[in-house]
Amino acid sequence: DAGVIQSPRHEVTEMGQEVTLRCKPISGHNSLFWYRQTMMRGLELLIYFNNNVPIDDSGMPEDRFSAKMPNASFSTLKIQPSEPRDSAVYFCASSFGTSKETQYFGPGTRLLVL
Amino acid sequence: RKEVEQDPGPFNVPEGATVAFNCTYSNSASQSFFWYRQDCRKEPKLLMSVYSSGNEDGRFTAQLNRASQYISLLIRDSKLSDSATYLCLLSGGYQKVTFGTGTKLQVIP
Repeated sequence: DAGVIQSPRHEVTEMGQEVTLRCKPISGHNSLFWYRQTMMRGLELLIYFNNNVPIDDSGMPEDRFSAKMPNASFSTLKIQPSEPRDSAVYFCASSFGTSKETQYFGPGTRLLVL
Repeated sequence: RKEVEQDPGPFNVPEGATVAFNCTYSNSASQSFFWYRQDCRKEPKLLMSVYSSGNEDGRFTAQLNRASQYISLLIRDSKLSDSATYLCLLSGGYQKVTFGTGTKLQVIP
């Protein structure tokens, strides 16, 4: 079975540009998580969906960040406009059930904003 | 106090040694506990869940101490391939999901 799929794997963009990260969770999983990882702050939860509904978005940094999950097999994380401080690795993870269950991570998207 | 705290290390241990990490937490409502392993420039991968009664998987033993609010991971007979960052994950309490910042382990030949 395919694991969590993320695209792109690497993204280099200039400050002010819009960035869209994509995630396909494991088939049958009904929870999806977006994380950001930096050396300084570690792994931070940005938003958590359950059955396509955002449950906890308290980690979304500011209005520049938005996430959608239009269906059970696809989610996007958008940054508009991007800033250099957004440079990080963004991971998507999915689980079967609620936030109490084991999460499986995608390979991540390495974002560099110049 | 941070929600989840881990000693960042690095823990430098010789091959064959036994090493233990702790992860302390402040949210007493946390319901599920996990240890993840993250290799350099890779995604976190589940190492093991942590059950109330403690659990063992080969050389790895995980324990939960609810009274003192911490979980632990013990690695026996360390291998070079155990070198990685070990992250604890707490979830379920009030729908909160929180990772620790990780403990780096370096096993030395």
